Amino acid sequence: GESVGLHLPTLSVQEGDNSIINCAYSNSASDYFIWYKQESGKGPQFIIDIRSNMDKRQGQRVTVLLNKTVKHLSLQIAATQPGDSAVYFCAENMDDYKLSFGAGTTVTVRA
Amino acid sequence: SAVISQKPSRDICQRGTSLTIQCQVDSQVTMMFWYRQQPGQSLTLIATANQGSEATYESGFVIDKFPISRPNLTFSTLTVSNMSPEDSSIYLCSVAVALLGGELFFGEGSRLTVL
Repeated sequence: GESVGLHLPTLSVQEGDNSIINCAYSNSASDYFIWYKQESGKGPQFIIDIRSNMDKRQGQRVTVLLNKTVKHLSLQIAATQPGDSAVYFCAENMDDYKLSFGAGTTVTVRA
Repeated sequence: SAVISQKPSRDICQRGTSLTIQCQVDSQVTMMFWYRQQPGQSLTLIATANQGSEATYESGFVIDKFPISRPNLTFSTLTVSNMSPEDSSIYLCSVAVALLGGELFFGEGSRLTVL
């Protein structure tokens, strides 16, 4: 079965608000995690990654938080825009860049 | 980032036939993978495409059903053999580029519908 999972399958957010997408993982030895965005009809797009020796990493409008104590990962999107509407996947590096994906969260941005 | 081209982008196939999907990368990459994404689902790793040797398959996937080739560092093919409607999925090529810190990039996918 999957070693990585997401808490909620859907998230509806008002444009301009912040979004938080959550992910739980089960393998305490996991050392590398990636967030992907998949728009309709497209392949997954790399957003941001984090290694287990960090607990926070920031990119452009996005922040990933890693809590190894409770094996929890989150993606925060600041000032959510209509273009952020997509399915978001967390993925765990199992070994040699082989990824195990979570179920995905569909984010819908309301105007 | 690496630019990944997949062909075909989509196809409609008849039951019992086979289809080969191509993945071309614009630079030499260390690792290439094939994933399947069934309708409305997440991605599942099929296999690692090894350059010059047999692919390494994940549990539930076998070479007879999904033969894979990787003749060089920039190209790979995945064949979906003896297709049934259950094979209707998006098949995605993924690459890891060590020089870019190991980031993993995906192609746009090949959307197969089996009738």
